[in-house]
Amino acid sequence: DQQVKQNSPSLSVQEGRISILNCDYTNSMFDYFLWYKKYPAEGPTFLISISSIKDKNEDGRFTVFLNKSAKHLSLHIVPSQPGDSAVYFCAASTPRNAGGTSYGKLTFGQGTILTVHP
Amino acid sequence: DAGVTQSPTHLIKTRGQHVTLRCSPISGHKSVSWYQQVLGQGPQFIFQYYEKEERGRGNFPDRFSARQFPNYSSELNVNALLLGDSALYLCASSREYEQYFGPGTRLTVT
Repeated sequence: DQQVKQNSPSLSVQEGRISILNCDYTNSMFDYFLWYKKYPAEGPTFLISISSIKDKNEDGRFTVFLNKSAKHLSLHIVPSQPGDSAVYFCAASTPRNAGGTSYGKLTFGQGTILTVHP
Repeated sequence: DAGVTQSPTHLIKTRGQHVTLRCSPISGHKSVSWYQQVLGQGPQFIFQYYEKEERGRGNFPDRFSARQFPNYSSELNVNALLLGDSALYLCASSREYEQYFGPGTRLTVT
C-alpha cells in the first residue's frame, strides 16, 4: 500500500529553467509534508516543508505547493542549477501525539531523479 | 553544530549473524528514528524513540530491535540476518516535525 507516490522516476531540465517535482498521497491523516534531496552515498538532506494548514511555502529557490483536496504536492526549483542534480524524495508525517512526545513517522515516496544540464 | 553521526559506515555480515548499528543525534534533539532504504525505494520507517521510550514501530519483524540511551544516542540491532536485510540504514534526529538524517550505514549480508 503505497501511501505516498512519486510517479515520475526521473526529470531532466536545462540549467536556469524551472524544475517541478510532483508527489501524491492517499492518507488524509497526514498533516505535514517535507521534501528531501539525496546524493549517492549520503543521507537525505532536508529541503523544505509545509503544514497541511498552508498551501504554499517558499525558501529561496525552493517553493512547495500543497493541494489538499487533490492530495497533491509539488516542489518548484527556480532557477535550476547543475548542483541540484540528485534524487528528490517527498515525505508525509502523521500527526504528533497529544503530549508532543512523538512527531509521527515519515512515509516516503519512491524518489525522482532530477538531472539539470548545463 | 555537528550533524547526525552513524557508525560504522559500511558493514559486511553473513546470513544468521547479528548486527548493531549506532547513531548520535544532533545536540538538543531528543527524538531518534531509524529507517531502512533499499535500492530504488524511499526510506522505510523502522522505529522512533523519544526520551528512551519507543514511540513508533514500522512493519518490521521482531528480529529488529532498538534502544535509546540517556544521552539520546541510539542503537539498532538486527538478529538472524537475512540476505534481504542488505540495505542502507538511516538514523534521523528531530526536535519538531523536520527530521535530519545521518549519512547511513551500508549493510551487506552475504
